[in-house]
Amino acid sequence: QKEVEQDPGPLSVPEGAIVSLNCTYSNSAFQYFMWYRQYSRKGPELLMYTYSSGNKEDGRFTAQVDKSSKYISLFIRDSQPSDSATYLCAMSRGSGNTGKLIFGQGTTLQVKP
Amino acid sequence: EAGVTQFPSHSVIEKGQTVTLRCDPISGHDNLYWYRRVMGKEIKFLLHFVKESKQDESGMPNNRFLAERTGGTYSTLKVQPAELEDSGVYFCASSQAGTLHFGNGTRLTVT
Repeated sequence: QKEVEQDPGPLSVPEGAIVSLNCTYSNSAFQYFMWYRQYSRKGPELLMYTYSSGNKEDGRFTAQVDKSSKYISLFIRDSQPSDSATYLCAMSRGSGNTGKLIFGQGTTLQVKP
Repeated sequence: EAGVTQFPSHSVIEKGQTVTLRCDPISGHDNLYWYRRVMGKEIKFLLHFVKESKQDESGMPNNRFLAERTGGTYSTLKVQPAELEDSGVYFCASSQAGTLHFGNGTRLTVT
């Protein structure tokens, strides 16, 4: 069983829609939760970063972490064609190596004009 | 500031050959990481340098892979001899504290 599960999609939505992306995980030791965005032929770019449980908002993006359910989400409001990319969830145990990330497979999102 | 730079962007080699990938981290970043994504799978951790020292190499698949970071600046990842299953995208990332900054990767194709 993978430590982090993420539906690869693809997910196609019309411009302006609210997008919900999700990951589940099995290891309760994860403390740091991240969402990365990756455009084609580019490296992952950090979008959102959350420590432990709770919500975090940044512009059109909201990240949620529910440690009791081992479930994290990323919401994108008023989605734009420029949001079309692959979204990767990632997690780490912390404890001195927050850079050792466990990634989900990534969800490909297409926002149609 | 310049980002993480990786060379080459794409490499095609035959099975049994040797390939060396290079990563130039952001200047001043002590932490350097190598990750790999094989087709259809998730990005996976390979190893972590702190300056020139290997902090964690638990993700290295086997002894055909050798990573170095002489002088604590750029890093190289050598695959010798390459096998078909080594094909994928190799990412390098660097950080000083916290956020990882990724390069655009080297796409390796072994035929």
